[in-house]
Amino acid sequence: AQSVTQLDSHVSVSEGTPVLLRCNYSSSYSPSLFWYVQHPNKGLQLLLKYTSAATLVKGINGFEAEFKKSETSFHLTKPSAHMSDAAEYFCVVGNNAGNMLTFGGGTRLMVKP
Amino acid sequence: NAGVTQTPKFRVLKTGQSMTLLCAQDMNHEYMYWYRQDPGMGLRLIHYSVGEGTTAKGEVPDGYNVSRLKKQNFLLGLESAAPSQTSVYFCASSPLRGRYTEAFFGQGTRLTVV
Repeated sequence: AQSVTQLDSHVSVSEGTPVLLRCNYSSSYSPSLFWYVQHPNKGLQLLLKYTSAATLVKGINGFEAEFKKSETSFHLTKPSAHMSDAAEYFCVVGNNAGNMLTFGGGTRLMVKP
Repeated sequence: NAGVTQTPKFRVLKTGQSMTLLCAQDMNHEYMYWYRQDPGMGLRLIHYSVGEGTTAKGEVPDGYNVSRLKKQNFLLGLESAAPSQTSVYFCASSPLRGRYTEAFFGQGTRLTVV
């Protein structure tokens, strides 16, 4: 079985400063990992995914995440926050069969002007 | 390019009423899913389907039924709604390509049971 923990339920940053959203996972096999973003009253959009090809994964809108097996982490970062980044972010782990996604509790990112 | 479409977008039910949520996808995906989203709990899987005519239980299936009579449609039914089923419901689909394949989500249905 797999699980994922997002370490912060809320993160607040100022526009132009770095963003760090933390995620730890648990999996009995080499995991598939995803970050999704949900803007207010919208569906979920894929930001990036880890497929074991590279430990540093680049996504859309300047986001990237680094897979660290020794720390069982997959933290999401962005060098400079923009007001439009304000949203809820979900770290997700897939099961080995590829038919089920397990979501973390979500991190709400607030960006102050 | 509709993707995954859910109807309705909003609904208010009285306790004990029944309703069906419809999900339609136009991407010819094999897998379809129903999730519910509650504050602080992320999305939890209710039921899923790996192909036309098949369904399976997810993490929180009690009080819900599903059907997948056509490949493009996945229906979620509430036979007797309860206030605990107040939530935002998301449908998703994914192609049959293995465990690194992401899911594509609809816009959600906000359901309130009073």
